[in-house]
Amino acid sequence: DSGVTQTPKHLITATGQRVTLRCSPRSGDLSVYWYQQSLDQGLQFLIQYYNGEERAKGNILERFSAQQFPDLHSELNLSSLELGDSALYFCASSANPGPMDEKLFFGSGTQLSVL
Amino acid sequence: TQLLEQSPQFLSIQEGENLTVYCNSSSVFSSLQWYRQEPGEGPVLLVTVVTGGEVKKLKRLTFQFGDARKDSSLHITAAQPGDTGLYLCAGGTDSWGKLQFGAGTQVVVTP
Repeated sequence: DSGVTQTPKHLITATGQRVTLRCSPRSGDLSVYWYQQSLDQGLQFLIQYYNGEERAKGNILERFSAQQFPDLHSELNLSSLELGDSALYFCASSANPGPMDEKLFFGSGTQLSVL
Repeated sequence: TQLLEQSPQFLSIQEGENLTVYCNSSSVFSSLQWYRQEPGEGPVLLVTVVTGGEVKKLKRLTFQFGDARKDSSLHITAAQPGDTGLYLCAGGTDSWGKLQFGAGTQVVVTP
């Protein structure tokens, strides 16, 4: 158990809909990362928050947004969903924001299926 | 285009055999990490290497960081079915800003 909690574990929805994925980091970790994993793209970095503020942005679509709340949990909002958004979405946390040697602890992921 | 190239993409071996997977890039890494991911779970960090030429051992797993810090390898001795999983390397450079992951090597060890 990594200590990172993600809900829900599975999500099935239709194109055009909006969903929210939730993540609680490990106790004491201030940094939260979101990754998308698909068969053709591998594990792609989406966005990072540190202590409530956006720290870094990766390949995140404009239809996607995220935030980190004062209690440090984070939510990833996906809107106007398309078939191609079907993927595993992982949240990871680390104790500090970087730089490149941060050790990431991953949750079990949310499997999103857009039908 | 992957910034980190992992090879092979897939490896199937018998229990007791040895295997090596590779992670290469044209960029110099500040640090490199190896993760293992099992079905239905998130990646789990195995090791971090930061010094060129560094070798780290974790039981039957040996990790090596290239002298030029552009490549790394993971060697498993006497593989066991429990070693089955997707092995991912992840590296960071000053120009990338964040950790980037390779596509992974799927390892299957059959009894």
